[in-house]
Amino acid sequence: SQQGEEDPQALSIQEGENATMNCSYKTSINNLQWYRQNSGRGLVHLILIRSNEREKHSGRLRVTLDTSKKSSSLLITASRAADTASYFCATGGAGGTSYGKLTFGQGTILTVHP
Amino acid sequence: DAGVIQSPRHEVTEMGQEVTLRCKPISGHDYLFWYRQTMMRGLELLIYFNNNVPIDDSGMPEDRFSAKMPNASFSTLKIQPSEPRDSAVYFCASSPSSVGKNTQYFGPGTRLTVL
Repeated sequence: SQQGEEDPQALSIQEGENATMNCSYKTSINNLQWYRQNSGRGLVHLILIRSNEREKHSGRLRVTLDTSKKSSSLLITASRAADTASYFCATGGAGGTSYGKLTFGQGTILTVHP
Repeated sequence: DAGVIQSPRHEVTEMGQEVTLRCKPISGHDYLFWYRQTMMRGLELLIYFNNNVPIDDSGMPEDRFSAKMPNASFSTLKIQPSEPRDSAVYFCASSPSSVGKNTQYFGPGTRLTVL
């Protein structure tokens, strides 16, 4: 089963609203990453947060990480129709043979209506 | 930089035929990953290489699937014989080996349809 579990599975909002997606995981991690996938395309890296960080910003993106709860959230502020995509969290292993490997969640489908 | 290159972009074949998917990773990246994505199963890691050596192939579904990386700039995923249930989008991704910076760069994918 996938390490990361996103919530909700689907989210529908109006342009200008904020979108929040959550991710939970089970094992120790080195870092957590968020990716976006537009329909018919490959995944694109958005942001990486290390296990010793609690919050990170990049443009309209804000990511938080709570290692005690093994959870992360991705906030997209002032959403745009172009943000419509699937969003995946991915966890990087803490070491050993899992180094380099990412475990992806099932994704959240975000639809932003103009 | 051209990014990760995959070929073909689309492949339609008949059950029983051999299928070969190709990937050229980003130059200088030490890791290469093969994924399969379907609506039912989501994104599945099939196999990954580090410095051309297979590290974990536990995701390869059956012996019909095989992957090679003969050099740092080329990898193949082969399905022989193909079956309708192999229909999916197959992604190749590469990653540098910098500690804590294992961001993966995905190719555009190969959409495989097995009739």
